[in-house]
Amino acid sequence: TQLLEQSPQFLSIQEGENLTVYCNSSSVFSSLQWYRQEPGEGPVLLVTVVTGGEVKKLKRLTFQFGDARKDSSLHITAAQPGDTGLYLCAGVKGAGKSTFGDGTTLTVKP
Amino acid sequence: EPEVTQTPSHQVTQMGQEVILRCVPISNHLYFYWYRQILGQKVEFLVSFYNNEISEKSEIFDDQFSVERPDGSNFTLKIRSTKLEDSAMYFCASRTLAGYTGELFFGEGSRLTVL
Repeated sequence: TQLLEQSPQFLSIQEGENLTVYCNSSSVFSSLQWYRQEPGEGPVLLVTVVTGGEVKKLKRLTFQFGDARKDSSLHITAAQPGDTGLYLCAGVKGAGKSTFGDGTTLTVKP
Repeated sequence: EPEVTQTPSHQVTQMGQEVILRCVPISNHLYFYWYRQILGQKVEFLVSFYNNEISEKSEIFDDQFSVERPDGSNFTLKIRSTKLEDSAMYFCASRTLAGYTGELFFGEGSRLTVL
């Protein structure tokens, strides 16, 4: 069974602070995707990382894929209340099945 | 912008009843998936479907579950005899290409409540 462990599970910070969410696995994935999920809605893709060591930036969000393609991190700079939500990582291999981590619930207080 | 649509958004049913959840994937997509998310828990893979057949299924997807694509547009998930533990959000997803080049598009989900 491929497991993706996310940490921390819950994170509550003040507006303007920086944070990092981690996604770790013992398995190697073809790619790793980060999603954001709002309550009552489906996950929405933020980014896909493919190459070991790859870094992608999406405004204040920085995503990194580990050199061995087993782990990833999401760093948010100067968090805003609008960043509040559930962040999910998902590893992809095989026939494109995505295996999801448990998620990190982020709360950014104004 | 094309999107995956799911119906119903919420269904309440009695234990033992059959339920059909419907999905219309994005029209040029080739791979289709059902995932479920029990309240407060992780998103779990149920089944993947390609070329009119199941390509992979999880342990959750037992004989009570079935999928079909009856008319080339709809993609349905049937639960033959619902159990209390089937209560969850069920998400349909689709993608154009297998593997890492394909972005997975999710619908907004169907909430199933089994009483």
